[in-house]
Amino acid sequence: GDSVTQMEGPVTLSEEAFLTINCTYTATGYPSLFWYVQYPGEGLQLLLKATKADDKGSNKGFEATYRKETTSFHLEKGSVQVSDSAVYFCALRNNAGKSTFGDGTTLTVKP
Amino acid sequence: DAGVIQSPRHEVTEMGQEVTLRCKPISGHDYLFWYRQTMMRGLELLIYFNNNVPIDDSGMPEDRFSAKMPNASFSTLKIQPSEPRDSAVYFCASSLAAGGGTNQPQHFGDGTRLSIL
Repeated sequence: GDSVTQMEGPVTLSEEAFLTINCTYTATGYPSLFWYVQYPGEGLQLLLKATKADDKGSNKGFEATYRKETTSFHLEKGSVQVSDSAVYFCALRNNAGKSTFGDGTTLTVKP
Repeated sequence: DAGVIQSPRHEVTEMGQEVTLRCKPISGHDYLFWYRQTMMRGLELLIYFNNNVPIDDSGMPEDRFSAKMPNASFSTLKIQPSEPRDSAVYFCASSLAAGGGTNQPQHFGDGTRLSIL
């Protein structure tokens, strides 16, 4: 079946540091890929998405590129802020409409 | 626009009681998902529906769990009888099915925090 593997956390960074959260996937066919963010006490929110190979999703300074050759979708941000502290989930959605999520990575940004 | 609405936001009940969680998806969305989130097991997909029909319920833990979607604007997840190990945050999410259904993100509700004593 489909699977998503995320870099284990927690991740602690200083403000303005560079962020990378690794994500690799296993799926048949051509899934769509997503990053979601979850703040305390809330549901997951879409951060960005990419629907085909070499697509780059971007939002709020975050970026991720759909790499089919390495089955990866790593999340990056050039300069993190305290307000970026949250849990980040990598996910895929297959041709049957079913979604598979990674275990989540907790990011803490210190001032 | 209203998002996915879940009720109740919090539920505390005693072991053995029946628990019913409710979800109203975003109007026009074709897919509805139920998830459970715990520290130990992370985010688990329990069941999902397409056009009110259950497509995959392989994530439902056991027969004590059941889910229904009687119409496009309402779904329930029921636990009977409840046990302490069912304590978790339960999320409902919905999505569109345009363009083959795979490239649409899910929209999550704020969840129901369930505690079974």
